[in-house]
Amino acid sequence: AQSVTQLGSHVSVSEGALVLLRCNYSSSVPPYLFWYVQYPNQGLQLLLKYTTGATLVKGINGFEAEFKKSETSFHLTKPSAHMSDAAEYFCAVNGQNFVFGPGTRLSVLP
Amino acid sequence: EAQVTQNPRYLITVTGKKLTVTCSQNMNHEYMSWYRQDPGLGLRQIYYSMNVEVTDKGDVPEGYKVSRKEKRNFPLILESPSPNQTSLYFCASSLSIMGDGYTFGSGTRLTVV
Repeated sequence: AQSVTQLGSHVSVSEGALVLLRCNYSSSVPPYLFWYVQYPNQGLQLLLKYTTGATLVKGINGFEAEFKKSETSFHLTKPSAHMSDAAEYFCAVNGQNFVFGPGTRLSVLP
Repeated sequence: EAQVTQNPRYLITVTGKKLTVTCSQNMNHEYMSWYRQDPGLGLRQIYYSMNVEVTDKGDVPEGYKVSRKEKRNFPLILESPSPNQTSLYFCASSLSIMGDGYTFGSGTRLTVV
């Protein structure tokens, strides 16, 4: 069975600091991996995805993620946090079926 | 504009009164799915559909029904709602079940009293 874990249900960073949101997965088949963002009172929006090829994936709003097969990880990073990045972030894996992680709420402090 | 449209956005109803939440997509996507989102539990899949007339249970199907008579529509039916179905519901669609990722609707906040 597939699963996704996200370390830290809540992460706080200062504006301008590095954002690192962690995602680890398990899958019995080569996975497709996704990061979604959810702003308050909105649906989920696709940030980026990894399917095949280059393991460093760039997404919208300056975010990127690196697929590391040996570590079964797909951590999300952004070099410099902005106040508008405050939201909930979900990692998801699609192998045999689509599974979401529990989410990490990102707060950005002025 | 490519989108998934859910209606209504907000709904308050009473226990046992049948309701339907509509979902429509304009992207000719084959795959559609319903999720509920609850604090501390994340997103849980209720039902999904891989194509017209093909539906299957997700992780939490009890108390829900769906139908897929047309490719664009995937309504969620609660025949006898109960308070434990109070939640935020999302419809989502994807070109296929694999690497495309979902497009989500804006959500329906349902309260059952």
